[in-house]
Amino acid sequence: EAQVTQNPRYLITVTGKKLTVTCSQNMNHEYMSWYRQDPGLGLRQIYYSMNVEVTDKGDVPEGYKVSRKEKRNFPLILESPSPNQTSLYFCASSPPLLAGGRYNEQFFGPGTRLTVL
Amino acid sequence: DAKTTQPNSMESNEEEPVHLPCNHSTISGTDYIHWYRQLPSQGPEYVIHGLTSNVNNRMASLAIAEDRKSSTLILHRATLRDAAVYYCLVPNAGGTSYGKLTFGQGTILTVHP
Repeated sequence: EAQVTQNPRYLITVTGKKLTVTCSQNMNHEYMSWYRQDPGLGLRQIYYSMNVEVTDKGDVPEGYKVSRKEKRNFPLILESPSPNQTSLYFCASSPPLLAGGRYNEQFFGPGTRLTVL
Repeated sequence: DAKTTQPNSMESNEEEPVHLPCNHSTISGTDYIHWYRQLPSQGPEYVIHGLTSNVNNRMASLAIAEDRKSSTLILHRATLRDAAVYYCLVPNAGGTSYGKLTFGQGTILTVHP
């Protein structure tokens, strides 16, 4: 089944304890992206990756790192989590962005609910 | 991305048509208009996209104004399962921010039985 998986689905941690949220897709998609969702603020992009070893900042990259060493995986790293990073996180993937400005359909994972105490 | 403006919320009755508007007055000539929706407790899902002509698929129709400064997502017969947050996106077709996507807050659609 074609899907985007995220792990863990739920995580409660403490301030300053490094954590990684994994994202994996089995559709051989080039484009992957991370978003966070907060009440009243909607869905905001953290980082995106156009392909392996190519990553760029979205709208809210502060406090996050990403890596794209292989096509299927795009982990989100919080080196020193803080309470303001408590949020619902979504990973998404899509085929390559097409010529002429057309974006392919993005497939989203089920979300990871993170609480930083 | 072109800035988009959507109403915060809308309501509909079951089996009635729903017209969800989106304004994107700064859209450029090659920008596509995309719609996603997010059902409760789920990640967003793609609904439809278009450039200039009206578009139809099994989920919805997309009506694009002639000047492309606005569009309307049309659910022909709303069901309770259509209750969701609907997002209109107009990502940049190129330039330094190509790949960057802005979802905004979307429109919360409530469907009454």
